[in-house]
Amino acid sequence: DVKVTQSSRYLVKRTGEKVFLECVQDMDHENMFWYRQDPGLGLRLIYFSYDVKMKEKGDIPEGYSVSREKKERFSLILESASTNQTSMYLCASISVDQPQHFGDGTRLSIL
Amino acid sequence: GENVEQHPSTLSVQEGDSAVIKCTYSDSASNYFPWYKQELGKGPQLIIDIRSNVGEKKDQRIAVTLNKTAKHFSLHITETQPEDSAVYFCAASRVGQGAQKLVFGQGTRLTINP
Repeated sequence: DVKVTQSSRYLVKRTGEKVFLECVQDMDHENMFWYRQDPGLGLRLIYFSYDVKMKEKGDIPEGYSVSREKKERFSLILESASTNQTSMYLCASISVDQPQHFGDGTRLSIL
Repeated sequence: GENVEQHPSTLSVQEGDSAVIKCTYSDSASNYFPWYKQELGKGPQLIIDIRSNVGEKKDQRIAVTLNKTAKHFSLHITETQPEDSAVYFCAASRVGQGAQKLVFGQGTRLTINP
């Protein structure tokens, strides 16, 4: 069974801090995704990666960057956290012709 | 780009009754339509999906219908049970053209009343 693991379930950070959210998948999937989930807005794609060291912007990339140095790990970076980045962050991975598998999310609060 | 609209945003039904959630999409090239269920404290889990070459798919109490002409698809849950209470998301994407990017609807909070 596919497992997508997000390193933290809850995280509290301060405005201006650099924040790292980590995601690891154990099924050798090529594609990995970062979404943020906000009430009434559904899931919105921040960034995705289709291979090691490859990345593409999603619909709301501003204020974020990503890193994929190894196939199993995809990191989301908030360069300088702001209060409007308080949200639930979801990581997902997928292989060709397979459904997306999600982690359980990281609830991030920026104070 | 693709845009997915989902209705209603909240739905409350009596246990044993049926629930229907509807989504419309804008990109006629979209060909894959999954439905996800998200329980409290968990990530979304795929419950059923449909591709554009079929009009209906059923899995026990859950069914999905697709109308390509009208660009809408629906989730039907029959004989609802308390464990069906959750947030449901529809999504649309083009499979077979690079990384599969899903565009999600806004979500429907379904409550099953005992």
